[in-house]
Amino acid sequence: DAGVIQSPRHEVTEMGQEVTLRCKPISGHNSLFWYRQTMMRGLELLIYFNNNVPIDDSGMPEDRFSAKMPNASFSTLKIQPSEPRDSAVYFCASSFGLEQFFGPGTRLTVL
Amino acid sequence: GDSVTQMEGPVTLSEEAFLTINCTYTATGYPSLFWYVQYPGEGLQLLLKATKADDKGSNKGFEATYRKETTSFHLEKGSVQVSDSAVYFCAHGGSQGNLIFGKGTKLSVKP
Repeated sequence: DAGVIQSPRHEVTEMGQEVTLRCKPISGHNSLFWYRQTMMRGLELLIYFNNNVPIDDSGMPEDRFSAKMPNASFSTLKIQPSEPRDSAVYFCASSFGLEQFFGPGTRLTVL
Repeated sequence: GDSVTQMEGPVTLSEEAFLTINCTYTATGYPSLFWYVQYPGEGLQLLLKATKADDKGSNKGFEATYRKETTSFHLEKGSVQVSDSAVYFCAHGGSQGNLIFGKGTKLSVKP
């Protein structure tokens, strides 16, 4: 099993640019979660999906953030336009049941 | 609302010392309880879990017992190693299939 796959692993961009983070969950899992981790705020849940449907997006910081899950094997988190305060490590996790399996994360730096 | 409270870090110990990281939770009913570990540069991974009162989860020498009377799930290890240096997160199952995480406790073990 390949585990949760995230791409890219590192992203450096300039303020105002669009950023798209990608996630492939573990096959057979029916829930997918996007988290953000920073030194200041710790681990924050942004949004999660169940059977490809967004269940709770109350953690999405603002309208610049959007997430989609077009099918059971793929999800994206988009930031448009990006700002320096969006710099963080973004994790995707998937589950079937309560135990979540995390990907390696995408380290985003917005200059 | 649902929440998890962990002891503040960082925690610094010498090798072979005894470790306790306190965790208490607030939730409706009796949720499943988890400890996750995050090694430097990696995503979170499940360390151990307990699904009902008085259950003891254990893995890699770490243990935690589900105490419903005190709503606690403290993590313990009898003899820590340098390789145990990581951030430890306590979590409980939420009402919508998600996990409620604590803020994490950073552990540093010195040789």
